Amino acid sequence: ELKVEQNPLFLSMQEGKNYTIYCNYSTTSDRLYWYRQDPGKSLESLFVLLSNGAVKQEGRLMASLDTKARLSTLHITAAVHDLSATYFCAVDVGSQGNLIFGKGTKLSVKP
Amino acid sequence: DAEITQSPRHKITETGRQVTLACHQTWNHNNMFWYRQDLGHGLRLIHYSYGVQDTNKGEVSDGYSVSRSNTEDLPLTLESAASSQTSVYFCATQREPDTEAFFGQGTRLTVV
Repeated sequence: ELKVEQNPLFLSMQEGKNYTIYCNYSTTSDRLYWYRQDPGKSLESLFVLLSNGAVKQEGRLMASLDTKARLSTLHITAAVHDLSATYFCAVDVGSQGNLIFGKGTKLSVKP
Repeated sequence: DAEITQSPRHKITETGRQVTLACHQTWNHNNMFWYRQDLGHGLRLIHYSYGVQDTNKGEVSDGYSVSRSNTEDLPLTLESAASSQTSVYFCATQREPDTEAFFGQGTRLTVV
């Protein structure tokens, strides 16, 4: 059974600081997705990572994928309050679009 | 603009009743998915479809069914609602594998 583990599950940061969210998964896959969810809202796609070594950046967020280590990271640079949300990673095991999600990391950025 | 619409947004139903949640998309995407979101569990896949007349079970499919009679719609039916099915349900579509999935606004279902 595929397991997708995120850590930390809760993260309180100060504005301007850097931090990394980790996503480990238990079986072979080279398809990894990151989503953002604001409270009471839907999920918004952030990144699609499709190969070992893939790195994508958008604003203050950068995601990477190491398929050999079965690890993806979401790095936050100089956090701002607007980044406060829950971040999910999801793994597509069979490359068919079925996503197995981690439990999410609730990020709170404080002044 | 193309979009994905879920209805209703909120529903309260009684234990044992049959309930159908609607999902309609205008992107003409072949892949459609239903997830439930519960505190402490993240999102879990219920059913999915890769096209008309195709349906497949996900990791938490017991007590749920879907049908795909056209490209645009994938309704989710709870055959006999149970309190354990109280959750927020999200429908998602995907043009093809390896592309981003788009999620609907969600349906909050309460079974009393």
